[in-house]
Amino acid sequence: AQRVTQPEKLLSVFKGAPVELKCNYSYSGSPELFWYVQYSRQRLQLLLRHISRESIKGFTADLNKGETSFHLKKPFAQEEDSAMYYCAIRGGGAQKLVFGQGTRLTINP
Amino acid sequence: NAGVTQTPKFRVLKTGQSMTLLCAQDMNHEYMYWYRQDPGMGLRLIHYSVGEGTTAKGEVPDGYNVSRLKKQNFLLGLESAAPSQTSVYFCASNLEVGPPYNEQFFGPGTRLTVL
Repeated sequence: AQRVTQPEKLLSVFKGAPVELKCNYSYSGSPELFWYVQYSRQRLQLLLRHISRESIKGFTADLNKGETSFHLKKPFAQEEDSAMYYCAIRGGGAQKLVFGQGTRLTINP
Repeated sequence: NAGVTQTPKFRVLKTGQSMTLLCAQDMNHEYMYWYRQDPGMGLRLIHYSVGEGTTAKGEVPDGYNVSRLKKQNFLLGLESAAPSQTSVYFCASNLEVGPPYNEQFFGPGTRLTVL
């Protein structure tokens, strides 16, 4: 069965410091992995997906199949990065997503 | 182009009452989903639909029913609300194609409290 684990419920860093949000998954096959972000009082929106290999708002995420991880990183955190972040995996048909528990990131000034 | 919309935004129910949440999308997506969001549990799939007239159970379907009579609408029903159904409900939709065009789009959410 597919499973996504985000071990940190809360993460707090200072502005300008590096940020890493951890995500581990279990899936047999070739998964699609995503990071979604939910800013305060807003809907979930896609931040990035592993197949795009892109950097969005300074964030990157590398798929490590050996460690089954898809950690989200940003070298210099900004206050506007404060939000709830969800790692998600797609698989099993019908484009369904399985989400991790989420990590609430707070950037302190 | 409104994307995915949800009605209502907020609702308070008493135990045993019933209600229907409406989701609408104007992107001509085949696939639609209902999730619930609870602290520490992320988003969990309640029911989903792969097309007009079809529905299927997700991870946590008990206590909920759904209908997809029109392609653009996906209704979530609570027949007899329970306090355990206090949650934020999100609707989402998706094209049926593969990557990179299969981004899942979310509605703004409905905050439901059952007393």
